[in-house]
Amino acid sequence: AQTVTQSQPEMSVQEAETVTLSCTYDTSENNYYLFWYKQPPSRQMILVIRQEAYKQQNATENRFSVNFQKAAKSFSLKISDSQLGDTAMYFCAFMTYPGGSEKLVFGKGTKLTVNP
Amino acid sequence: DTAVSQTPKYLVTQMGNDKSIKCEQNLGHDTMYWYKQDSKKFLKIMFSYNNKELIINETVPNRFSPKSPDKAHLNLHINSLELGDSAVYFCASSRLGQGQPQHFGDGTRLSIL
Repeated sequence: AQTVTQSQPEMSVQEAETVTLSCTYDTSENNYYLFWYKQPPSRQMILVIRQEAYKQQNATENRFSVNFQKAAKSFSLKISDSQLGDTAMYFCAFMTYPGGSEKLVFGKGTKLTVNP
Repeated sequence: DTAVSQTPKYLVTQMGNDKSIKCEQNLGHDTMYWYKQDSKKFLKIMFSYNNKELIINETVPNRFSPKSPDKAHLNLHINSLELGDSAVYFCASSRLGQGQPQHFGDGTRLSIL
């Protein structure tokens, strides 16, 4: 079974600085997709970034980028120029395909606090 | 215009009652999901439906019964509520295939007294 591990339950960073959130996963599949979702205190689940495993190029979305190391099964999220609005829980997720459908397997999350 | 909407946002009820949570998406997606987020914030899939057909049922007690009247709606009915059912329930939707991202509703916080 696929598992996703986020080893940092909580992190904090000063506004305008850079922070990296770690994620590792375990799978025997070769083609898959990885995601980072953000959950602010408002409780919404917001897609931050998506990575296709067959693409070597790391995904980027504005201030958010990933370091995808397929061999190491690592998928870390880097947030540059941190802003107060980045304060949230961040979930790493792996997409798997049981029975022709798709489901997300989530890590336990990292609570990020951006300090002024 | 909300993409995935759930009602109600909050639900407080007594143990033993039956309750329903409704979900609707206007994104034209063909697959919908229910996830449960427990008190430690851990998210786990419960069900998925593709074009009104149940695809995933993840060892959820049969007190939980999803119903999909059409591909834009996926409701969750829960019988005989227990204390352990207290959680936030999220509905999500996506297009099927090629790792399309899932779009989530705002969640329903269910509290059992």
